[in-house]
Amino acid sequence: QVLLVQSGAEVKKPGASVRVSCKASGYMFTDYTMHWVRQAPGQNFEWMGWINIGNGNTKHSQKFQGRVTISRDASARIAYMDLSSLRSEDTAVYYCARDRGEYNWNYGTFDYWGQGTLVTVSS
Amino acid sequence: EIVLTQSPATLSLSPGERATLSCRASQSIVSYLAWYQQKPGQAPRLLIYDASNRATGIPARFSGSGSGTDFTLTISSLEPEDFAVYYCQQRSDGLTFGGGTKVEIK
Repeated sequence: QVLLVQSGAEVKKPGASVRVSCKASGYMFTDYTMHWVRQAPGQNFEWMGWINIGNGNTKHSQKFQGRVTISRDASARIAYMDLSSLRSEDTAVYYCARDRGEYNWNYGTFDYWGQGTLVTVSS
Repeated sequence: EIVLTQSPATLSLSPGERATLSCRASQSIVSYLAWYQQKPGQAPRLLIYDASNRATGIPARFSGSGSGTDFTLTISSLEPEDFAVYYCQQRSDGLTFGGGTKVEIK
């Protein structure tokens, strides 16, 4: 079955960077786009960006331009999300979520999600 | 940015009752709307995509309808495991989510 397992919770100081990983299993990793979405306390879900696992192309939300880097290690079946210059407002649960479009057709709907990674930014 | 407004914020119902949840878009999103269910401490689960298509493994008591700006998620007869928060999400222009509707036990 499809499984996305994310790395553990992180506590970071303002200005630091964080890397969240997402290890996939149960499907052809290179055939599906992976998204990153976050949910801050009391806030809506917020889409951050996606990566075409097949060719490595990425797209980010304008809100995170310059601060977020999404990458993948196709051989290890892992997607990564790096967020830099952290501030308190970045405290949130970060999710990887597989796009339901096969062959990296970016459908924009998320059919499987990781369990979430809590990132806390606090001095 | 397309804004999705969900109503009501909370729905108090008993098992066996029918639940009707609304999602309204700030502009037409055709049928590019999905619904997700989220339980405490869990990741969201895809229920409905493209307004009315049930995702794999989703029971028939869940149905979606609507087009343009107004959409509805209906749970025909609530089971105990259906008490959760439900979110809508659009993919017509960017990717945005609604604020959620909590379905709680009355």
